[in-house]
Amino acid sequence: AQKVTQAQTEISVVEKEDVTLDCVYETRDTTYYLFWYKQPPSGELVFLIRRNSFDEQNEISGRYSWNFQKSTSSFNFTITASQVVDSAVYFCALSEARNQGGKLIFGQGTELSVKP
Amino acid sequence: EPEVTQTPSHQVTQMGQEVILRCVPISNHLYFYWYRQILGQKVEFLVSFYNNEISEKSEIFDDQFSVERPDGSNFTLKIRSTKLEDSAMYFCASKRGLGTDTQYFGPGTRLTVL
Repeated sequence: AQKVTQAQTEISVVEKEDVTLDCVYETRDTTYYLFWYKQPPSGELVFLIRRNSFDEQNEISGRYSWNFQKSTSSFNFTITASQVVDSAVYFCALSEARNQGGKLIFGQGTELSVKP
Repeated sequence: EPEVTQTPSHQVTQMGQEVILRCVPISNHLYFYWYRQILGQKVEFLVSFYNNEISEKSEIFDDQFSVERPDGSNFTLKIRSTKLEDSAMYFCASKRGLGTDTQYFGPGTRLTVL
């Protein structure tokens, strides 16, 4: 069965600190897609990054980077030099290729608070 | 930049009433979704829709729920007889195709059932 676990329910950091959000997933599919979405206090869901299961290359995009490791089924997300505007709930999500409808399975979310 | 829109932003209704939540997906997208988020909880899948029919639905999506694409632009979620536990944020999402395509979400409709 597919499942996404975000063990950290809340994280609090001081501005300019680096912060890593953990995500562990379960799937029996060999091809799948992983996502991070941000939900700021205004409530909308904002797409941040996507990774395909067949591409384990880790990347950096501005202050965001991610570490995808199939061996440990983890897809962690790092914000470098955090800012107050990064305060939000962050959701990790999984979509399996065999699922024709393409639904997303979300984790419970991690609430990040960045204090000035 | 194209975006998914949803109306209304907030709907208040009495228990037992019917509500229709409306969404306009991104214009060249072919796959449409509804999700809900009960306050403080995770986002849960309700239903996916492609080629004018439901592709998949979750256990939450029972006979009280229905979806429709009445024209070329709107995608609606109807709840026939609302219950208190239907109070939640409802998100519409769309994506262009299968596979690696990303789902883009609307701003949500907050439904409050009294």
